[in-house]
Amino acid sequence: GENVEQHPSTLSVQEGDSAVIKCTYSDSASNYFPWYKQELGKRPQLIIDIRSNVGEKKDQRIAVTLNKTAKHFSLHITETQPEDSAVYFCAASIANTGNQFYFGTGTSLTVIP
Amino acid sequence: NAGVMQNPRHLVRRRGQEARLRCSPMKGHSHVYWYRQLPEEGLKFMVYLQKENIIDESGMPKERFSAEFPKEGPSILRIQQVVRGDSAAYFCASSPPGSDTQYFGPGTRLTVL
Repeated sequence: GENVEQHPSTLSVQEGDSAVIKCTYSDSASNYFPWYKQELGKRPQLIIDIRSNVGEKKDQRIAVTLNKTAKHFSLHITETQPEDSAVYFCAASIANTGNQFYFGTGTSLTVIP
Repeated sequence: NAGVMQNPRHLVRRRGQEARLRCSPMKGHSHVYWYRQLPEEGLKFMVYLQKENIIDESGMPKERFSAEFPKEGPSILRIQQVVRGDSAAYFCASSPPGSDTQYFGPGTRLTVL
C-alpha cells in the first residue's frame, strides 16, 4: 500500500519568514494530494490540494509543488503569521475512486512573533 | 450548510465497556470515512462507507470494531469491549459523490480508563 513520509516533524520560524514542509509518497498511482491544517483540539481543515496533472498551485500565501517523477510534494507558506501555528498534515490518494487518504505523520509549525 | 457533526465530543469508558461514536455527514454527502488519530501521530484510515454499504474496511481491526451507515441517521462506529489501547481521537470525514475532497468533523476523543 501507499506510504507517505513527512518532514520535518517540528518547525519553528520567525514571523514573516517562509516555512516549507516536504512529503514523499511511494505509490505512483496516487494522483491527489491534499494538505490539512489542524489546530490543537480542532478538526483537520483542508488548506490546499493539488492533482498530478499540475506541478504547482498557489492560494495567497500558501503554495504546493509536486514532482511526480521523484514522488514528492511540498507545502510553502510565505510571510508566516502567528495564526499559522498548527500541525500540518499531507496526504496522498487515488482520485475519483472514493479511496482513503494516506496521511503523513504531521509537522508542528510554530511561528514566533 | 452545517459541517460534519460528531458526537459525543468526549467519551470516557472503562475497560470492557462499549463505545458508540456517531457521525452526521454534511448535507448532500453520501460518502463517510472514519480515521483514528493516536497522540502526536497522523490520521490512520479505518473504514469507508456509503449509505447501507461498507466499501472499504481494510483499516478496521478484525475484532471488536464495526461500522455502519444506515439509510436514515448518522454513521456509527462501534467499539466493543474497549481496551486502553483504543484511547484516541476518532475523526469522521464526508464527501459528496464524485468529489475527492474530504471534510472532517471535530472528532470524538475516547478515553478508556
